[in-house]
Amino acid sequence: QITLKESGPTLVRPTQTLTLTCTFSGFALSTTGVGVGWIRQPPGRALEWLAFIYWDDDKRYSPSLKSRLTITKDTSKSQVVLTMIDMDPVDTGTYYCAHRPAAARPLDYWGQGTLVAVSS
Amino acid sequence: DIQMTQSPSSVSASVGDRVTITCRASQGISSWLAWYQQKPGKAPKVLIYGASSLQSGVPSRFSGSGSGTDFTLTISSLQPEDFATYYCQQTNYFPLTFGGGTKVEIK
Repeated sequence: QITLKESGPTLVRPTQTLTLTCTFSGFALSTTGVGVGWIRQPPGRALEWLAFIYWDDDKRYSPSLKSRLTITKDTSKSQVVLTMIDMDPVDTGTYYCAHRPAAARPLDYWGQGTLVAVSS
Repeated sequence: DIQMTQSPSSVSASVGDRVTITCRASQGISSWLAWYQQKPGKAPKVLIYGASSLQSGVPSRFSGSGSGTDFTLTISSLQPEDFATYYCQQTNYFPLTFGGGTKVEIK
């Protein structure tokens, strides 16, 4: 059974760095083709894909946010970490991590999401 | 980036109605399209992948069609638990873009 869970701060001040951790079970991020991605959703708005990391450490980022994002994995801990620098109130929203079983496949398992507010 | 445009943005329907949602890609994506359902306060759930393949465990009243740039999600007979927001996503070309969502509301 695959599960993912996001953790991190619920409140971040403007200009600070956000660090979110996705802790997963039921699969190994060392398995060929497998990846984990991050997606966010501002309140009442649509989903926005942020970043993705593959089993072989290949990393992909949203072009509009690439300069602010870093995604890493710790296979031994079954974790994926997303950092976003220079946070702004427009970054407020729910952040999800999700599992992808192979290239071109959908995000088939999602975490419950974590709500992050950016406010002074 | 490939832009995904959904229509309508919302639809009001009754239990038992047939509902159709469309998604258009700004360039051809073959059949690399997924549909997700999201209920308030919950994570999205994949319904359809590869444009027309039903995800395991998803009721057969959901179906998908299309290829290239134009895609459709159909709910053949709307059930009470189907009132939610639906998103399309192209799954093969980074960045993996989502549509703007279609909210299915009770009429």
